[in-house]
Amino acid sequence: NAGVMQNPRHLVRRRGQEARLRCSPMKGHSHVYWYRQLPEEGLKFMVYLQKENIIDESGMPKERFSAEFPKEGPSILRIQQVVRGDSAAYFCASSPGTTTGELFFGEGSRLTVL
Amino acid sequence: SQQGEEDPQALSIQEGENATMNCSYKTSINNLQWYRQNSGRGLVHLILIRSNEREKHSGRLRVTLDTSKKSSSLLITASRAADTASYFCATDAGIQGAQKLVFGQGTRLTINP
Repeated sequence: NAGVMQNPRHLVRRRGQEARLRCSPMKGHSHVYWYRQLPEEGLKFMVYLQKENIIDESGMPKERFSAEFPKEGPSILRIQQVVRGDSAAYFCASSPGTTTGELFFGEGSRLTVL
Repeated sequence: SQQGEEDPQALSIQEGENATMNCSYKTSINNLQWYRQNSGRGLVHLILIRSNEREKHSGRLRVTLDTSKKSSSLLITASRAADTASYFCATDAGIQGAQKLVFGQGTRLTINP
């Protein structure tokens, strides 16, 4: 079974551009989580989604950031009008069920804003 | 506020020695998990311990949980160079139906050959 797939692995954007990060969960998983990691720091929760629903977006900035997990296709984390402070590694994780258990992580997408 | 906090922030030991990392958290939990992250990679789940468990083993890993002190420890015995990584504890919110995990800042472990 393929693991959690994230792309692109590396993305460079200039200030003001848009960044789109994609995540395909593991086969059979319908729960997706996005986390952000700054260098030398831990992971900060951003958003938790199930198919076509945002369950918890308490960690996501109110402006410029949005996430979706459509019925078909990968989950998308979208950052509009990027600023230098958005530079970070963005990790997606998936899980199969509703009980809090093990999360399966992708390799991350590293965003650099020039 | 950050739920889990690891201690120490960095640890450097010789190959073959044991490594102990600690994690403290603030609120009640359903379970606590430990993850490893190699440099530039994603996180890999190591072990999960439930709130009604006190100790758990997996290979060279031993995890303890003290809910009265709101703390956990991860012991890696007979360390190897390949154990060099960052280690994170993660807790759920302990609220019925809560799904997200909250991660600590991590311990950077270096195993010297």
